[in-house]
Amino acid sequence: KAGVTQTPRYLIKTRGQQVTLSCSPISGHRSVSWYQQTPGQGLQFLFEYFSETQRNKGNFPGRFSGRQFSNSRSEMNVSTLELGDSALYLCASSLGPSGGSDTQYFGPGTRLTVL
Amino acid sequence: DAKTTQPPSMDCAEGRAANLPCNHSTISGNEYVYWYRQIHSQGPQYIIHGLKNNETNEMASLIITEDRKSSTLILPHATLRDTAVYYCIVRVAGGTSNFGNEKLTFGTGTRLTIIP
Repeated sequence: KAGVTQTPRYLIKTRGQQVTLSCSPISGHRSVSWYQQTPGQGLQFLFEYFSETQRNKGNFPGRFSGRQFSNSRSEMNVSTLELGDSALYLCASSLGPSGGSDTQYFGPGTRLTVL
Repeated sequence: DAKTTQPPSMDCAEGRAANLPCNHSTISGNEYVYWYRQIHSQGPQYIIHGLKNNETNEMASLIITEDRKSSTLILPHATLRDTAVYYCIVRVAGGTSNFGNEKLTFGTGTRLTIIP
């Protein structure tokens, strides 16, 4: 099975712009989570989607948004970029609620640099 | 989610077993112990997880104490490619009762360096 794929892998934007990142989950996985990793804050949870619905959201401003499509692919959007948004953005997929453990598998990430 | 405590760094000689400890004294009965590792600038890689019993897979073994307040990840024969940051995470089990609460909360992890 192919793993989680994220596009683009690298991105350079300037302050005030917006950006859209894409994530394709492992085939058969219906839950997608997004995380932000910075040197100062470490790995932080952004949000999680299942069946096109946001199930959980981390403590990030409204400039960070996401969505999930009917094929489980997901996108996240960051509007009005700030220098502090420079980070590695990670997507993880899992089967979804199953009554037991639900392991998340991560993609390689998108490295966003805001100038 | 319960918090975990890990040593910030450890060294291990190549070919020896690497034993990475994790304390999770406030773990709840429905929380699993997960281990991930992250090699520089890559996405975290799932290693292993367990609830009560010891677990083993092709990558590692997980030993959970009987009171579940601590665990140890064992890499049986460490190689240079095992150099990474290792994260111990406790996470609520899935299912309808925990719907939407299964996020992973990462701490600072243990930076494991394998010495040639």
